[in-house]
Amino acid sequence: DTGVSQDPRHKITKRGQNVTFRCDPISEHNRLYWYRQTLGQGPEFLTYFQNEAQLEKSRLLSDRFSAERPKGSFSTLEIQRTEQGDSAMYLCASSFPEDYGYTFGSGTRLTVV
Amino acid sequence: AQKVTQAQTEISVVEKEDVTLDCVYETRDTTYYLFWYKQPPSGELVFLIRRNSFDEQNEISGRYSWNFQKSTSSFNFTITASQVVDSAVYFCALRKDGSSNTGKLIFGQGTTLQVKP
Repeated sequence: DTGVSQDPRHKITKRGQNVTFRCDPISEHNRLYWYRQTLGQGPEFLTYFQNEAQLEKSRLLSDRFSAERPKGSFSTLEIQRTEQGDSAMYLCASSFPEDYGYTFGSGTRLTVV
Repeated sequence: AQKVTQAQTEISVVEKEDVTLDCVYETRDTTYYLFWYKQPPSGELVFLIRRNSFDEQNEISGRYSWNFQKSTSSFNFTITASQVVDSAVYFCALRKDGSSNTGKLIFGQGTTLQVKP
């Protein structure tokens, strides 16, 4: 297991389309996080899972966003009816609860045209 | 509310120069953790260091050193004898501690470091 994997690395979509991203955490990590990073800014927290339970969601996560983590393994982040403002890097990270830092994936860069 | 401020947007140095990246944080929590991450052009955030709010000892790791001062709410990062490979965006981050902790990180805006040969 080499780390947190995210797919795709890049996604270009037309405004109004739906997109889905996938994150495969380090196996046995029971915590999983999604962050969004816009150009020139630091990552902003979107949501957090412990196993399959989604325990916290940021107010940044509008009704158009939904995240799942079935069976507590991989996670998906779906954006419906994409808008140009959704263009960003979407980062996934995973950890054990006792970890004080976590491992990030390389991210999915979304461009909405 | 929690907040992290990295006032330096971009820093440019010549190889072998020392450089300090500033980080100032705000929190009402008595226990918390501070972090530094490096983000190279590939995009992946690389963990550099974690510091507990009770531990104000400075830390050195090779060419990297960190100065944590609770009195000024600062957690500055110094690279000694910088190298071209140090060129990246560096983020300071804050996380609350305690039983209710979810591990959520609050990041600063980042400092882009360019090391020229």
